[in-house]
Amino acid sequence: SQTIHQWPATLVQPVGSPLSLECTVEGTSNPNLYWYRQAAGRGLQLLFYSVGIGQISSEVPQNLSASRPQDRQFILSSKKLLLSDSGFYLCAWSVTGADTQYFGPGTRLTVL
Amino acid sequence: GESVGLHLPTLSVQEGDNSIINCAYSNSASDYFIWYKQESGKGPQFIIDIRSNMDKRQGQRVTVLLNKTVKHLSLQIAATQPGDSAVYFCAEGSGGSYIPTFGRGTSLIVHP
Repeated sequence: SQTIHQWPATLVQPVGSPLSLECTVEGTSNPNLYWYRQAAGRGLQLLFYSVGIGQISSEVPQNLSASRPQDRQFILSSKKLLLSDSGFYLCAWSVTGADTQYFGPGTRLTVL
Repeated sequence: GESVGLHLPTLSVQEGDNSIINCAYSNSASDYFIWYKQESGKGPQFIIDIRSNMDKRQGQRVTVLLNKTVKHLSLQIAATQPGDSAVYFCAEGSGGSYIPTFGRGTSLIVHP
């Protein structure tokens, strides 16, 4: 069966510090991968998605970036965090060509 | 896409009652619909999906109804339990699109 992991589960970072969140998927090959952010009480905001290694599409211009160094690894990064980057970050995967997305447990990021 | 709004609609029910959560979608070309459950502090969990060639699909204690004429989707939960308390949101997709559109969510509160 497929599983998706995210770490860390929680993170508290000062403004201006760098960020690296990691997501890995097991049990499937060549998945579509996604990064979402969810502010408290709000819906899902798609940040990035990837249909293959090295292929990244950005949905929202901001100070975040994503990379996919391996087939089942997706990384969300920032060089300098802003207060507005606080939120719940979710990674998801889907089978190529299908629509159902399966989400990871999320990372709670607080920028102080 | 992002759902916008500071306050989620809320449905309060008594334990044992049946719950009905509604979702209106906008894209008449959408052919795939998904319901997710998100508990506090966790990632969304897939519940059930339905294709546009169906108008009803049943799972364990859940039923999804699709009315394409009025572009409406509903999730029925039978014999609601306290463990069903969560935010429920729908998603719509079309033609194997990589990116479904998520609804803003409804908070279900089950009182013992």
